[in-house]
Amino acid sequence: AQTVTQSQPEMSVQEAETVTLSCTYDTSESDYYLFWYKQPPSRQMILVIRQEAYKQQNATENRFSVNFQKAAKSFSLKISDSQLGDAAMYFCAYRSASGGATNKLIFGTGTLLAVQP
Amino acid sequence: DAGVIQSPRHEVTEMGQEVTLRCKPISGHDYLFWYRQTMMRGLELLIYFNNNVPIDDSGMPEDRFSAKMPNASFSTLKIQPSEPRDSAVYFCASGRQWTSREPQYFGPGTRLLVL
Repeated sequence: AQTVTQSQPEMSVQEAETVTLSCTYDTSESDYYLFWYKQPPSRQMILVIRQEAYKQQNATENRFSVNFQKAAKSFSLKISDSQLGDAAMYFCAYRSASGGATNKLIFGTGTLLAVQP
Repeated sequence: DAGVIQSPRHEVTEMGQEVTLRCKPISGHDYLFWYRQTMMRGLELLIYFNNNVPIDDSGMPEDRFSAKMPNASFSTLKIQPSEPRDSAVYFCASGRQWTSREPQYFGPGTRLLVL
């Protein structure tokens, strides 16, 4: 079974600085998708960025980028120029692309990011 | 599109009462998911539907929980009778077919408190 591990329960960053959140996963599959979701205090789950396993190029969305290392099964999120609104819980998630009864997200336990003014 | 819609946003009830949570997925999405989030257990998938048919309900905690999807635009999650340990935030999410790179989109959640 696939698992997702976020080893940093909490992180802190100064406003305008850069922070990297770690995520590792375990799978025997070769085709899958990886996601980062953000959950601010409002509790809404918001998609931040996605990555297809077959793509070597790292995904980028404005100030958010990933470092996807398929061989190492690592999928870290980098937030550049951190803003106060980035403060939230961040979840890493895995989804198989194999179809069948596997179209469900497997979440990590989350990393709580604080942004210091 | 309005996104995934959930109601109510907050629910406070007494132990033993029936609770019904509602969800309207994004139009055109053929997958619908119900999640529960607690401090102790994090995000748990309870059940998901594909084309209104339940596919995997292995996450449903016990017989007190039931979920239905009578049509493509509506789903309910019912707890009967409710217990204090059911207190959590319940999320509904929807997505397109599994071959799509598109993610699941989450609703705002229902915060349930059972006294």
